[in-house]
Amino acid sequence: EDKVVQSPLSLVVHEGDTVTLNCSYEVTNFRSLLWYKQEKKAPTFLFMLTSSGIEKKSGRLSSILDKKELFSILNITATQTGDSAVYLCADNRPNSGGSNYKLTFGKGTLLTVNP
Amino acid sequence: SAVISQKPSRDICQRGTSLTIQCQVDSQVTMMFWYRQQPGQSLTLIATANQGSEATYESGFVIDKFPISRPNLTFSTLTVSNMSPEDSSIYLCSVALLSSYNEQFFGPGTRLTVL
Repeated sequence: EDKVVQSPLSLVVHEGDTVTLNCSYEVTNFRSLLWYKQEKKAPTFLFMLTSSGIEKKSGRLSSILDKKELFSILNITATQTGDSAVYLCADNRPNSGGSNYKLTFGKGTLLTVNP
Repeated sequence: SAVISQKPSRDICQRGTSLTIQCQVDSQVTMMFWYRQQPGQSLTLIATANQGSEATYESGFVIDKFPISRPNLTFSTLTVSNMSPEDSSIYLCSVALLSSYNEQFFGPGTRLTVL
C-alpha cells in the first residue's frame, strides 16, 4: 500500500524555536492532505490541503502542499510548551472498495518543547 | 466541526470476551469511520460504517472480528469480538460532515486493555 512517511520521528526543541515537520506521500489519486495534533487520545484537526503552493495559516502554525513533489510541511513558529504533541499527517485516498475515501496516516512526529 | 462522544472511555476486559463501543455525534454526518491505534503506532482504518448497509472493511479486518452497526446518521457501534491481548489499543471513531466531505473529526477514543 502507498505509504505516508513523516520526518523526523521525534524532535526536541526549546520554547521560542521554529520547527518544520515533513510529510511525504506516494498515492497520486488523492483528494487532500490533512494534518492533525494528537496530545492524549483524540487527534484534533489542524489543516486540510488540496492545492499546491497555497499556504494555510492558523496563528503560529502554517502548512503548504507540493503536489508535484508529493510532500507537505507543517511549520510552527515561536513554539510553546503547549505545542508538545504528536503531529500526524494523512492522505485522503479511495478506500478498499473504491466507493468512498479514507485517511491513511503516517507514524507521526513527536514534538517536545522544553521551557 | 461536530461534537463526538464515545462510550466507554476506557475498559479492561478478559480474554475471550467481547466489547461494544458506541459513537454518537451531535449532527447528521455523511461518513463515520472506525480506527485502531495500537501502542506506539499510528492510526489504522478498520472500516467505514455505512448507514443502512454493511460496513466496508479495510484489508486485514473482518466483520466476524469487528462487527459494526450504523442504524442512523448520528450513531455507530464497533464490537471487538473474542478479544486477545493483541486487541489492546485505542479505538477511535471519526466523522466527515455533510458540509465538508474531506475533513474528518475524531471522537475522544476508547482505551481498551485485554488481560
